Amino acid sequence: SQQGEEDPQALSIQEGENATMNCSYKTSINNLQWYRQNSGRGLVHLILIRSNEREKHSGRLRVTLDTSKKSSSLLITASRAADTASYFCATDLTGGGNKLTFGTGTQLKVEL
Amino acid sequence: EAQVTQNPRYLITVTGKKLTVTCSQNMNHEYMSWYRQDPGLGLRQIYYSMNVEVTDKGDVPEGYKVSRKEKRNFPLILESPSPNQTSLYFCASNKRGFTDTQYFGPGTRLTVL
Repeated sequence: SQQGEEDPQALSIQEGENATMNCSYKTSINNLQWYRQNSGRGLVHLILIRSNEREKHSGRLRVTLDTSKKSSSLLITASRAADTASYFCATDLTGGGNKLTFGTGTQLKVEL
Repeated sequence: EAQVTQNPRYLITVTGKKLTVTCSQNMNHEYMSWYRQDPGLGLRQIYYSMNVEVTDKGDVPEGYKVSRKEKRNFPLILESPSPNQTSLYFCASNKRGFTDTQYFGPGTRLTVL
């Protein structure tokens, strides 16, 4: 399986509900990032959390990082229809070279 | 407006016909990358460049070439495209290194018949 696997693969919720997505990885990291992709478009950076941080907030987004479990979660509070998109985690692997390693994403659908 | 642009956005071509996808950024970033995105495989890095005239292979470089003659431009060249290169391609740039926040272009959807 791939480094940076998101769970669930797909999530459907009602507007106003919270959405939680998880990302697991296998080896040690320097940082972990979350990106959003609207259908067929480029990825947009949401938030970066470093390996020595445990939680970070940005507007309605809350990201946690548990390096002991090698996992991260992205919480979107009070979701809106405009949050409908795919969400990817990307890890900067220690010794992983000049790249981010992206997961396969969680497709979030927020219904009115 | 700070942005990464790609052209064309959509391209349908035939096997063996050379093509170039252009990428340009106006943020004076030193680092640029090309990715391809395929269902179930996420994004995979094709090539990257750390500065003018400095390029290196990513995870899936076979069948691709790049050049970096100017800081702002990083074209992706397919000398002899094959159907397995049908994919969604993204160019990205960043300021401080490849593992920092990446700024992505809008994507180029390529179909090779």
